[in-house]
Amino acid sequence: GAVVSQHPSWVICKSGTSVKIECRSLDFQATTMFWYRQFPKQSLMLMATSNEGSKATYEQGVEKDKFLINHASLTLSTLTVTSAHPEDSSFYICSAADGNYGYTFGSGTRLTVV
Amino acid sequence: SQQGEEDPQALSIQEGENATMNCSYKTSINNLQWYRQNSGRGLVHLILIRSNEREKHSGRLRVTLDTSKKSSSLLITASRAADTASYFCATDLTSGSRLTFGEGTQLTVNP
Repeated sequence: GAVVSQHPSWVICKSGTSVKIECRSLDFQATTMFWYRQFPKQSLMLMATSNEGSKATYEQGVEKDKFLINHASLTLSTLTVTSAHPEDSSFYICSAADGNYGYTFGSGTRLTVV
Repeated sequence: SQQGEEDPQALSIQEGENATMNCSYKTSINNLQWYRQNSGRGLVHLILIRSNEREKHSGRLRVTLDTSKKSSSLLITASRAADTASYFCATDLTSGSRLTFGEGTQLTVNP
C-alpha cells in the first residue's frame, strides 16, 4: 500500500534554531501534501496544504514565515520550523492523498524546543 | 477549524466488551474516515465510508453513517487490550481535499 516516510521521528532543538521535517511518498506521487500539528491529548489541526510546484496554502493563524513549506517534487515535501520556541513543541504529522480516495499519514515528528 | 465532535471523549471498557464511539460533523461531506492513533505515533487508517453509504464492516469494525443527522459511529466488537488507542473521525469535502478531524475518543481496554 501507499507509504509516507517522515523524518525525523523526534528532534530536540535549542530555542532560536530551525528544524526541518521531511515527508516522502515512497510508492506514489503526492501532488498535495497536508501538514498537521497535534498538541498533547488534542486532535490534529491542519496547518497548511502544500502543492507540488506552487506556494503552500496556510490555515488562518499559522505564520507562513515561521513554518516554511517546500514541495519541490511529487515525492517530497518539507516543513521547516524557523526560529523555534518552546511553544512550537508539538507533534507534527504529514499526510498525502494516495489517489485511492484515502490518505496516508507519516509516522509523525515529535519536536521539543528547549 | 475543527468541525467534528466526538463522544465520548474517553471510554474505558473490559476486554471482550464492545466499544462504540460517535462522531458528528457540521457540513456536507464526501467521505468520512476513521483513524486510530497509538500514543505518540502516526495515524492508521481504519475504514472509509462514502456519503452514499450507510454501513460498512471490516473485521471487528462496524461503521455507520447518517447524513441526515450528520453523524457516524464506530463499533469495535470483542475488544482487546491492543485496541487501546485514540480514535478519530475525519471528513473531506471532495476526494483528496483536506481532512477535518473530530476531537477524538481515547479508548482504554482493560485486560
